[in-house]
Amino acid sequence: DQQVKQNSPSLSVQEGRISILNCDYTNSMFDYFLWYKKYPAEGPTFLISISSIKDKNEDGRFTVFLNKSAKHLSLHIVPSQPGDSAVYFCAATHQGQGAQKLVFGQGTRLTINP
Amino acid sequence: DAGVIQSPRHEVTEMGQEVTLRCKPISGHDYLFWYRQTMMRGLELLIYFNNNVPIDDSGMPEDRFSAKMPNASFSTLKIQPSEPRDSAVYFCASSFGPSETQYFGPGTRLLVL
Repeated sequence: DQQVKQNSPSLSVQEGRISILNCDYTNSMFDYFLWYKKYPAEGPTFLISISSIKDKNEDGRFTVFLNKSAKHLSLHIVPSQPGDSAVYFCAATHQGQGAQKLVFGQGTRLTINP
Repeated sequence: DAGVIQSPRHEVTEMGQEVTLRCKPISGHDYLFWYRQTMMRGLELLIYFNNNVPIDDSGMPEDRFSAKMPNASFSTLKIQPSEPRDSAVYFCASSFGPSETQYFGPGTRLLVL
């Protein structure tokens, strides 16, 4: 039972355009969501997060949107840059249970074309 | 800070052998996590520690897997005996506090033949 799903294994975007990565979840107990970015041969690195009390969080070129009714979140990157080429993981957790027990999606490989 | 350090970076072993993966968390971090990434199951949490004490090991797949944290700067994940289906990338992560960002190490790529 995959509680966090990223249905697009890959995405290719032109440099300068907007990249939109999507994520769906099934567990209504999740109240905190994160995006991690991973380069080859490295561990995932935290990118941005959002609490369920918000519907949007912005950090520079990165914005995460949360639609609780649809159990859907998305990561927008604008403008996209070649250095953004990586695998992006969506993760979710239920806060207040001790440490963040992150449940990850399968990841989306983003390629930014010059 | 050097970040989370994992060793070895790559490990190739034969079925039935014991495998030990090592992790040094970021200094001062009191939470340590072990994750496994496979093609089939993606990235999944195996176990986490708080102040060197195992808190939740519900993700540990079988009794063949064990994890220890003898002190604040060292943890091991052991597989004995190893099987080909244990082949995966194993990540260690640490955080300062229960709700803080988890910082991941570079991972250990394990291949069991």
